[in-house]
Amino acid sequence: ETGVTQSPTHLIKTRGQQVTLRCSSQSGHNTVSWYQQALGQGPQFIFQYYREEENGRGNFPPRFSGLQFPNYSSELNVNALELDDSALYLCASSSRVAGANVLTFGAGSRLTVL
Amino acid sequence: GQQVMQIPQYQHVQEGEDFTTYCNSSTTLSNIQWYKQRPGGHPVFLIQLVKSGEVKKQKRLTFQFGEAKKNSSLHITATQTTDVGTYFCAEGGSQGNLIFGKGTKLSVKP
Repeated sequence: ETGVTQSPTHLIKTRGQQVTLRCSSQSGHNTVSWYQQALGQGPQFIFQYYREEENGRGNFPPRFSGLQFPNYSSELNVNALELDDSALYLCASSSRVAGANVLTFGAGSRLTVL
Repeated sequence: GQQVMQIPQYQHVQEGEDFTTYCNSSTTLSNIQWYKQRPGGHPVFLIQLVKSGEVKKQKRLTFQFGEAKKNSSLHITATQTTDVGTYFCAEGGSQGNLIFGKGTKLSVKP
């Protein structure tokens, strides 16, 4: 059983640029979600995809967008990057345990915006 | 809105001492999950508590869910250097997401 893999692991961008982050979810998990983790903070929910459609979104502006593909892999796109977008971006696939979603996180993509 | 508060924010202990972190909510929680994030790593699921007053143990770790389901705690007995990291509690959000606390960062001095 493969885990959640993310790419790239690190990247540096400048303000105004666009970035695409990629995620391959754990085998058998059809729900993928993305979280942003700023330094010293807990992960913050960006959005969630199920069967290639967004079915939940946190308090993030529209310049944060995503896709899920038929093989359940996913992308997170961020346009018009701002300095505050510097963070660890975590992809997670979900499994249901006792009626709740338990998350398996990837290692993350660390984005630095200069 | 929903929010879980964690205390303390930081805890420094001598190896062999015990450690406890607390998670509190103003609303009744359907369940609570705990995750551990090692320095430079990603959150890893530890456990989920569902029932009022539930207590679960994993070796030196003891997890409790309050009777009113508004608070939870994680207690580590006789800490080791391998326990270093940030411990997060998380509650279920309305969109199938998780809402994480800010975490308690544990450092262990050998």
